[in-house]
Formats: sequence, C-alpha cells, structure tokens
Amino acid sequence: EDQVTQSPEALRLQEGESSSLNCSYTVSGLRGLFWYRQDPGKGPEFLFTLYSAGEEKEKERLKATLTKKESFLHITAPKPEDSATYLCAVLSGGSEKLVFGKGTKLTVNP
Amino acid sequence: DAGITQSPRHKVTETGTPVTLRCHQTENHRYMYWYRQDPGHGLRLIHYSYGVKDTDKGEVSDGYSVSRSKTEDFLLTLESATSSQTSVYFCAISDLLRAGLSYEQYFGPGTRLTVT
Repeated sequence: EDQVTQSPEALRLQEGESSSLNCSYTVSGLRGLFWYRQDPGKGPEFLFTLYSAGEEKEKERLKATLTKKESFLHITAPKPEDSATYLCAVLSGGSEKLVFGKGTKLTVNP
Repeated sequence: DAGITQSPRHKVTETGTPVTLRCHQTENHRYMYWYRQDPGHGLRLIHYSYGVKDTDKGEVSDGYSVSRSKTEDFLLTLESATSSQTSVYFCAISDLLRAGLSYEQYFGPGTRLTVT
C-alpha cells in the first residue's frame, strides 16, 4: 500500500529563517511526486512535480528535491505570505490515484 | 487558476437527506476526482472519472455515488447524508501532460458540507 508521511506537522519560522519540510514515501514504482500549497478555506494549489531521484525544481523561495525515499521542500528566506499548509502526494505505477500526506502547516512570523 | 467551479460552496443539511454536489470544468480535461478533507486525515479520494460515464471508486466511496454525463460536469451524491459525511469536499481535474508519465491535478475551491 502506498504511503506518504510528512514532517513536521507544524513549523513556525521567523521571516528570513530558512528551513525544510520532509515528505517520506513508500510506493511501488513512483510515477510522480507532487507538492501543493493550501491556504485556509481554499483548494490546494499545485507547486511542483518531481519524476525521478536527483531531480530538483524551484519557484521563487521554494525548491523541491527528490530521493528514492523522500522529498524535501526547502524554503529560503521565507516571508509571512509563505504561511500555508504544504501537501505532498505520490502517484504510483499502474494507478490513477494520488495518495496524499497529511501536510505541514507552516507559519512565518514577521 | 484552472477553470473549476464547485456548487454549492456551503451547505447545511439534515441526516438522511440526499445531497448532490456539482463540479464544473472549462478545461476539457479527461480526469475528474472527488476528495474529502478532514482534520487528521488529509485528502482522501472518494470517486474519480476517466471519461464520460466512466467512473471508479476511491478509498472512501461507501455512501457516495457519482455521475458524469458530460466532459465538463462531475456530480457527487450522498444518497442519505450522515453526520460522518460532514467535511470539506474538493473536486480536481487532470489530463495527461506527457504520455506514460504523470500529470498534475488541479483543485476547485471546495464545498463545505455540514450534516446535522
């Protein structure tokens, strides 16, 4: 059974304090790993797809990386507007269904 | 934002009544999904559709049915609502970006359903 575990559950940072969120996964044949951002009261917003170990993608202050067992979402010099819940999901071979982790709630204080 | 709307956005209903939620897309995407999101559980797939009149179950499909008679519309019906179905419901769409690899899902704004 495909599983996704995100840590920590919640993270508080000061503005400018860089950190990383973790997404560990077990899946039979990874087809893709996805990162989403979700603001309160809204639907998840797509950020990145990673397909193979060693791949990296960047968007503004966010950088996602992928290994064979986990993915990291690195946040460099965060701003208060980066506060949100970040969700990780995986798609395995032979499946059309994403499996989501429970998310990491990030709060960035000014 | 992807062209996805959900209706209604909020609904309060009584136990035992049928409820239908609607998802409408303007992207002509093949796949459509219904999820529920609850504290402590994250997003869980209820049903999905891979084409008109083609649907399949997700991990929490009991008590729910779906229908897709047009590419743009995907309906979720709670046949007899229960308090355990109080949740936030999200619709998502996707399409193949590269054949044989993977595809992103894009989410609607959600429907908050309360069953009293």
